[in-house]
Amino acid sequence: EAQVTQNPRYLITVTGKKLTVTCSQNMNHEYMSWYRQDPGLGLRQIYYSMNVEVTDKGDVPEGYKVSRKEKRNFPLILESPSPNQTSLYFCASSLSGSTGELFFGEGSRLTVL
Amino acid sequence: GENVEQHPSTLSVQEGDSAVIKCTYSDSASNYFPWYKQELGKRPQLIIDIRSNVGEKKDQRIAVTLNKTAKHFSLHITETQPEDSAVYFCAASQWGGANNLFFGTGTRLTVIP
Repeated sequence: EAQVTQNPRYLITVTGKKLTVTCSQNMNHEYMSWYRQDPGLGLRQIYYSMNVEVTDKGDVPEGYKVSRKEKRNFPLILESPSPNQTSLYFCASSLSGSTGELFFGEGSRLTVL
Repeated sequence: GENVEQHPSTLSVQEGDSAVIKCTYSDSASNYFPWYKQELGKRPQLIIDIRSNVGEKKDQRIAVTLNKTAKHFSLHITETQPEDSAVYFCAASQWGGANNLFFGTGTRLTVIP
């Protein structure tokens, strides 16, 4: 089954404790992206990757890191989480950046205390 | 960067009535305008999209219109059904596809049986 898989789906952590949210897609998509969803703010892009070893900042990259060492994986790293990073995070992928549909993962709800 | 505004933030309609959601964008270079539907607790999913060389596109009960001059686009849902209840997001990109999609803040549509 074609899918985007994120882990963990739910996480409660404390300020400053490094964490990684993994994202994997099995559709051989070139383009991958991370969004955060907050009430009243919609979906805001954190980072995106056009292909392996190619990453770039989105609208709200502060406090996050990403890497794209393999085509299928695009982990989101919070080196020192803070309470304002409490959010619902979605990983998404597309065949390429210039083709249409974004396929979203199921989301990861992160709470930073 | 692009700024996408979406109205209304909430919309309630009687079953069988029509619903219209409107979005405006700021960057005249934007050329791809998708609409995503997010059911409660689920991931966003693409329902329809339109490119700047087209003025209108229909798919069964849903349609999207685009006015490039005024820089606005709209989602029209006819004969609404309870399963249409969800949050709808518009988005815009100047890359012709998924890359660097800027999302609106969402419209919560409730269809009253």
